[in-house]
Formats: sequence, structure tokens, C-alpha cells
Amino acid sequence: DIQMTQSPSSLSASVGDRVTITCRASQSISSYLNWYQQKPGKAPNLLIYAASSLQSGVPSRFSGSGSGTDFTLIISCLQPEDFATYYCQQSYSPPLTFGGGTKVEIK
Amino acid sequence: QVQLQESGPGLVKPSETLSLTCTVSSGSISSYYWSWIRQPPGKGLEWIGYVDNSGTTNYNPSLQSRVTISVDTSKNQFFLILSSVTAADTAMYFCARRGYKSYYYYMDVWGKGTTVTVSS
Repeated sequence: DIQMTQSPSSLSASVGDRVTITCRASQSISSYLNWYQQKPGKAPNLLIYAASSLQSGVPSRFSGSGSGTDFTLIISCLQPEDFATYYCQQSYSPPLTFGGGTKVEIK
Repeated sequence: QVQLQESGPGLVKPSETLSLTCTVSSGSISSYYWSWIRQPPGKGLEWIGYVDNSGTTNYNPSLQSRVTISVDTSKNQFFLILSSVTAADTAMYFCARRGYKSYYYYMDVWGKGTTVTVSS
């Protein structure tokens, strides 16, 4: 199985901050990397697919980059509605696997 | 737009079988793959497996011996069966559509989830 490791596991930030979350795969997955946002009690919501493609309807303050084993999700200007947990997920090969999550909390 | 809704018992006894249904509305079940994902309380996401509209499946090896996912295209539904459950199977269970663009796949439509507790 491909292991996905996210860091940090949690962070505190203020509205307006730039936030960076990283995800590392245990082997190369090319650009087969997706990012999701999950709020408490809700289903995950797709933000980014193919490492850097913004899903329709997702604000442009979200961006993704990377390929191979190292990937980054950036929130350029944190908004109140962005406080949530973020997960990366590889779609390179089954079993599909997720990172452990990064919880973004209010400072 | 397409919507997914999970349904099934919220409480299952240990050693028994968990059965869930995902109903696809406002869209066809054809041309896509359909996944089940679960999330234990306070923990991360675990992919269980997926099925396509012809019934072809792929399961997480960690659950393969206990899981069956199937589809009924006439009812626009797909199903999860997990046998011999234990407390470790207590989780929120989500169904999701595997969308795609070119060769890139992602889960772009999710149900709201259903909580399943394993307890006697």
C-alpha cells in the first residue's frame, strides 16, 4: 500500500494568514493526488484533483502543487469558513489511501 | 446535480453483518465507479472499496475477506456488506462517486454519511 503522510497534524492560524499543508507519498504517485476539506459531522469536500487542478466551485485562494512524492496545499488568505480538517488522498493505485489529516484551528 | 444517500441500520451486534445501501439520485449510476469510505470516531478516512456499473469491484486488502460491494443499476443503488463485525468497525460510513478527468480520478460527490455502531 502507498502510505500518505501529512504535516503538520494540526496548526493554529488567524484569518488572513497564508497556510501551507504538506503531503508526502511513500513512493512516486506522479500527479495522482487529491485534497479534501472536511468540517465536523460533514462529508469530505473535494478541493483539488490531479495535484493542482481546482475543483469547480472551490475558491481560488486554494491551490495545490507538487508531483512524485511531495505535495503542497496552500490557502492564500485564510477565511473563517476554512477552519476544518484537510486530507490528501492518492489515486495512483488501489488501495486508495488518505493522509492522516491536518486540522486547521483558529489562533 | 447528482446526490447520494446512505441508508441502513445504525446498530449492529458483534459478529453479525453490516449492510448499507447508497441511493444515487438526479443522475445515472452508469459510467462511474462508486466507493465506500469509512471514518471511525475522531479518526481519519479509510477507503473500503469500489464497484463499477458492471459489478467489477476492487477492495481494500485490509477488509477484503469480509467485504462485498455490489450494484443494482435498475434501482440506481449500490451496496456494502461487511461481515463478522467488531467494535473496530464502528464508524461513519460514506458513499461517494469516483469522478474523473482524463486519467485522474477523485471522489467528487459524497453522501452525508451514516453512523454505524457495533455493540451488543
